[in-house]
Amino acid sequence: GAVVSQHPSWVICKSGTSVKIECRSLDFQATTMFWYRQFPKQSLMLMATSNEGSKATYEQGVEKDKFLINHASLTLSTLTVTSAHPEDSSFYICSAAGTQAGVTEAFFGQGTRLTVV
Amino acid sequence: AQSVTQLGSHVSVSEGALVLLRCNYSSSVPPYLFWYVQYPNQGLQLLLKYTSAATLVKGINGFEAEFKKSETSFHLTKPSAHMSDAAEYFCAVRVGQFYFGTGTSLTVIP
Repeated sequence: GAVVSQHPSWVICKSGTSVKIECRSLDFQATTMFWYRQFPKQSLMLMATSNEGSKATYEQGVEKDKFLINHASLTLSTLTVTSAHPEDSSFYICSAAGTQAGVTEAFFGQGTRLTVV
Repeated sequence: AQSVTQLGSHVSVSEGALVLLRCNYSSSVPPYLFWYVQYPNQGLQLLLKYTSAATLVKGINGFEAEFKKSETSFHLTKPSAHMSDAAEYFCAVRVGQFYFGTGTSLTVIP
């Protein structure tokens, strides 16, 4: 299957700083990328959907100024958590969907464990 | 509206026993259905998917699922549980975006 690489896999940052998480599709062009947040022992919560070259569509309740999403190319999307606070600590997962023949599902990155201290 | 319901947030089975994880969905259009597995601190790995071809879908690691339109179900099964199957399992329906169930934690007892 297709490969999506998410980096870093874990990060610790100080409160008030910003953190950037990268999501790359390694062997296919991802026209759409999804960003999720997962709390312990819970399911994935969709934060936003981004299409290459367009502004991201945020789900209700997700602060777009806090969670900046950029999808400037068909292989890279980034999520920047700005002015991070301890309550932003969570597991963040990206997934990428492509338009190549046979790709009918989205492929998931390995996730990023963010801890804000 | 689309939604996914996974009955049973925790399932325990003995090693070698049958694994059955339940998933029911609602969708306004013919859905794509998926089962994913998640190991601690990792992303989601696709187990299998239903995309309107055969109703009995075989996936990796010996798992399979059957799409039953009349019951709006897509239950996941494995004939014989292995210790390495212990993980979190998510059922999902895709209509545009993905809609995930709340997950089922599978414990395998030696």
